[in-house]
Amino acid sequence: DGGITQSPKYLFRKEGQNVTLSCEQNLNHDAMYWYRQDPGQGLRLIYYSQIVNDFQKGDIAEGYSVSREKKESFPLTVTSAQKNPTAFYLCASSISRGDGEQFFGPGTRLTVL
Amino acid sequence: DAKTTQPTSMDCAEGRAANLPCNHSTISGNEYVYWYRQIHSQGPQYIIHGLKNNETNEMASLIITEDRKSSTLILPHATLRDTAVYYCIVRGDNAGNMLTFGGGTRLMVKP
Repeated sequence: DGGITQSPKYLFRKEGQNVTLSCEQNLNHDAMYWYRQDPGQGLRLIYYSQIVNDFQKGDIAEGYSVSREKKESFPLTVTSAQKNPTAFYLCASSISRGDGEQFFGPGTRLTVL
Repeated sequence: DAKTTQPTSMDCAEGRAANLPCNHSTISGNEYVYWYRQIHSQGPQYIIHGLKNNETNEMASLIITEDRKSSTLILPHATLRDTAVYYCIVRGDNAGNMLTFGGGTRLMVKP
């Protein structure tokens, strides 16, 4: 089945530790995105990538980093510089950056203790 | 991209049509209306989008007013599984435009 996978579903980390969230897609999509969602709020764009080895900052990139070494993979690192990292993180992909139909993964809920 | 306004919450009886309104009075000529929904603790799911004409697919219908300042998403026969937050998003057709998810409408389908 084609789709997007994110792992793990739940993640706990101690304050001050970097943590990397996984996102893989087998849809052959060029564009991939990372969003953050806080309780009761909409989604906010962290980073996006339109092609391998290229990525752009979204609205709330501070304290986060990404890489896009393979078309299928777009991992997100939450660094210790992110002041409030506890949130629900969602990865998405689309055929191209210009395509408004995005396919979302199931999300990773990160809790920093 | 134009801003959208949606009611915070709505209820609907199971089996009845759910009509979710969205105001986008500042929409410009090249901006599309997109609808997504998010079931609790899951990733959002694309439902439908349109520019001027009404659109229908297997999930829903989208009715856009003639002046394009508002739209309505219609779920013809709501089921309990349709309980979710529904996001109305206006997005330009320029490749650089991103989706902006606001607060959405929390639809509760009741037995």
